[in-house]
Amino acid sequence: GQQLNQSPQSMFIQEGEDVSMNCTSSSIFNTWLWYKQDPGEGPVLLIALYKAGELTSNGRLTAQFGITRKDSFLNISASIPSDVGIYFCAGRTQGGSEKLVFGKGTKLTVNP
Amino acid sequence: NAGVTQTPKFQVLKTGQSMTLQCAQDMNHEYMSWYRQDPGMGLRLIHYSVGAGITDQGEVPNGYNVSRSTTEDFPLRLLSAAPSQTSVYFCASSFSSTYGYTFGSGTRLTVV
Repeated sequence: GQQLNQSPQSMFIQEGEDVSMNCTSSSIFNTWLWYKQDPGEGPVLLIALYKAGELTSNGRLTAQFGITRKDSFLNISASIPSDVGIYFCAGRTQGGSEKLVFGKGTKLTVNP
Repeated sequence: NAGVTQTPKFQVLKTGQSMTLQCAQDMNHEYMSWYRQDPGMGLRLIHYSVGAGITDQGEVPNGYNVSRSTTEDFPLRLLSAAPSQTSVYFCASSFSSTYGYTFGSGTRLTVV
């Protein structure tokens, strides 16, 4: 089945720093989604991307749909303590499948 | 709106016992899915449904059954619990996977 390679696995940063994480795949995706999961909760959708090259922002978060359709990036600017959590990428492949494939997550720790 | 409601939140089972994890959504979503989350493994799809009466297998379906008799409910049945099924289970729904899924808050299951 399709696999998403998400990196890095974890990040330890200082408050105020910018963060970048990415997902890559050997398969072509027609939808990329980025989720955040707080401890003890389910993932919450942050940003959805639908077209190659698309760049979308949500506050301090910016995500891009790679032009090859095999990768996506999430950037967080000026991190704050509440950015702590696990960030997941998810993708939907061509062919009409309703399945979403998830990356293994990036665990973000922000030191005040 | 309650969104996606999962019950119970916590459960301990003995090996060989059976049980049903409940999932209900009040958003009239056609698409529903069950994922399990294990440390370092991300979210893996167990079963999914694109509408009442229609279900299909995901990445890790063995040991689990589902049915979808109504739009609102999508229960997950463990037929004979095994320690390998110790995990956090998430139910999710969407009117289209293209636009991402809304997740419940999870059921933490321990099989001893």
